Amino acid sequence: DAKTTQPNSMESNEEEPVHLPCNHSTISGTDYIHWYRQLPSQGPEYVIHGLTSNVNNRMASLAIAEDRKSSTLILHRATLRDAAVYYCILRDYNNNDMRFGAGTRLTVKP
Amino acid sequence: DTEVTQTPKHLVMGMTNKKSLKCEQHMGHRAMYWYKQKAKKPPELMFVYSYEKLSINESVPSRFSPECPNSSLLNLHLHALQPEDSALYLCASSQRGGTEAFFGQGTRLTVV
Repeated sequence: DAKTTQPNSMESNEEEPVHLPCNHSTISGTDYIHWYRQLPSQGPEYVIHGLTSNVNNRMASLAIAEDRKSSTLILHRATLRDAAVYYCILRDYNNNDMRFGAGTRLTVKP
Repeated sequence: DTEVTQTPKHLVMGMTNKKSLKCEQHMGHRAMYWYKQKAKKPPELMFVYSYEKLSINESVPSRFSPECPNSSLLNLHLHALQPEDSALYLCASSQRGGTEAFFGQGTRLTVV
């Protein structure tokens, strides 16, 4: 599986937007870009995924670079409940491999 | 039903015990996963089943034995574990790589 690189940690103020970057320079044409987050003492939960185009859902937006070598998860208004570890994962459409990188620990300050 | 259910939530076992972790999903997903997660670390892939067949085994010690009896159920049999095997064990399911995966809340295992 292709590898992703994320900052170890980021901080945000409550009610401000947060941009979480992910680099995936060795991405292949069949890799989907997935984001999951893990709140303390819980299993990971799905946030959003995309292939080439930017994506929006009720939780977040995903901005994908034109060359697909990087992406950014956007939380439009961070809340204290968004404090979690955010994982960017590449998942090949053709197989079931799903591996986590180190992720970014997001702290939200009131 | 979009849940992955793991039982038990907590387990304490001795090094000579045999126990099993159970994972269940009813979303029709054909891929099921076991992960091990130590504190402050990302989940580490252990096993993947695809259509009830083991497709990925990440060189996990034989004291961990997975089993997929049917498309909804995944077990992890534990035998002669070591204290360093104490961790959160997570189960997940999904369809193919282009779709979202669902995770259970995990079993917190302590080996004494």
